[in-house]
Amino acid sequence: NAGVTQTPKFRVLKTGQSMTLLCAQDMNHEYMYWYRQDPGMGLRLIHYSVGEGTTAKGEVPDGYNVSRLKKQNFLLGLESAAPSQTSVYFCASSSLADTQYFGPGTRLTVL
Amino acid sequence: GQQLNQSPQSMFIQEGEDVSMNCTSSSIFNTWLWYKQDPGEGPVLLIALYKAGELTSNGRLTAQFGITRKDSFLNISASIPSDVGIYFCAGPSGSNYKLTFGKGTLLTVNP
Repeated sequence: NAGVTQTPKFRVLKTGQSMTLLCAQDMNHEYMYWYRQDPGMGLRLIHYSVGEGTTAKGEVPDGYNVSRLKKQNFLLGLESAAPSQTSVYFCASSSLADTQYFGPGTRLTVL
Repeated sequence: GQQLNQSPQSMFIQEGEDVSMNCTSSSIFNTWLWYKQDPGEGPVLLIALYKAGELTSNGRLTAQFGITRKDSFLNISASIPSDVGIYFCAGPSGSNYKLTFGKGTLLTVNP
């Protein structure tokens, strides 16, 4: 099993550009999450999904959209990137809250 | 929302030393989790605690669920260079599928 994978690993965008981050899990988990990690801020929840076709806002959802068309995939979109969205993005999945499995992260820089 | 306060924010120790860190909350948690994030990787679950007073070990790591249910402690004995990383505490946040994370303790081990 690959666990949780994220694509791409690194990306540089210019302000105003758009992009989609892909998260895939092969553990048949119901729940999937997108976090961002910034220095001194810990992990902050952006959006999450409790099942295929569902999404919900987390702690810091502004500027992001998500979709969960397939159970194994959770997409995070930035429609118009801003420098404040420079961060490391982590996807996670779980069957229960106490067993969240994290991907390796995507390092995004917005110039 | 619920907040978790971790201390210390960072630690710089010599190889072989023991390490202690803690996590406190203003509200009661029914589960305490400890994650470790290696440099450049996603967090990985180390220990899960489910009962007040519980003491659980994972190799050289020992974690305790505080009696008041508002705190938890993580100890690492005889530290080695590969213990370097960020240690996060976490607990369920208003549901059984979302987590609140502390801001982390950055551990540096000097060989």
